[in-house]
Amino acid sequence: KQEVTQIPAALSVPEGENLVLNCSFTDSAIYNLQWFRQDPGKGLTSLLLIQSSQREQTSGRLNASLDKSSGRSTLYIAASQPGDSATYLCAVNFGNEKLTFGTGTRLTIIP
Amino acid sequence: EAGVAQSPRYKIIEKRQSVAFWCNPISGHATLYWYQQILGQGPKLLIQFQNNGVVDDSQLPKDRFSAERLKGVDSTLKIQPAKLEDSAVYLCASSFWAGELFFGEGSRLTVL
Repeated sequence: KQEVTQIPAALSVPEGENLVLNCSFTDSAIYNLQWFRQDPGKGLTSLLLIQSSQREQTSGRLNASLDKSSGRSTLYIAASQPGDSATYLCAVNFGNEKLTFGTGTRLTIIP
Repeated sequence: EAGVAQSPRYKIIEKRQSVAFWCNPISGHATLYWYQQILGQGPKLLIQFQNNGVVDDSQLPKDRFSAERLKGVDSTLKIQPAKLEDSAVYLCASSFWAGELFFGEGSRLTVL
């Protein structure tokens, strides 16, 4: 069964720190992986998309890496800010044009 | 570029009543998805359309849920009759072709 796991479910860090969010998946034969941000009561905002042939993608203070062989992806956030507080979701396309989501990590940045 | 539009944003109904949600994808996006997100969980795919054809509806509770995509553009998701466990946010997403998915703001359903 193709599954996506995100641990921890919640994370609190002081403002200004760098942090890493983790995502693991059961099947290494993926097509792409996408990281999303979800604010309370809102929809999902796409942050980064990594194709299976790529090792990482960067956007501003965000960097996402992909290691298919180990079934892992990380989202690195540099110099965290209170505005980064949200739930971060990892989603994997296992080659069937649909995304399988993890349950997310709820991030709180403490001012 | 306009994003994915959904309506209504909020709906409260009693169990056994019916409800319908509407979605208009990003112009030119052939693939449209409906996801269900229960509080504290990740979104779960209900149905996927490619143009006006159904690609995957394996997790759609067909005894009460139905969806259509008129003319391969906008889509409607209907629940009839609603149950308490249908309380969730219903998210619509679209993509150009097996690429990046873009989501709407979602429709929050509360069933009393």
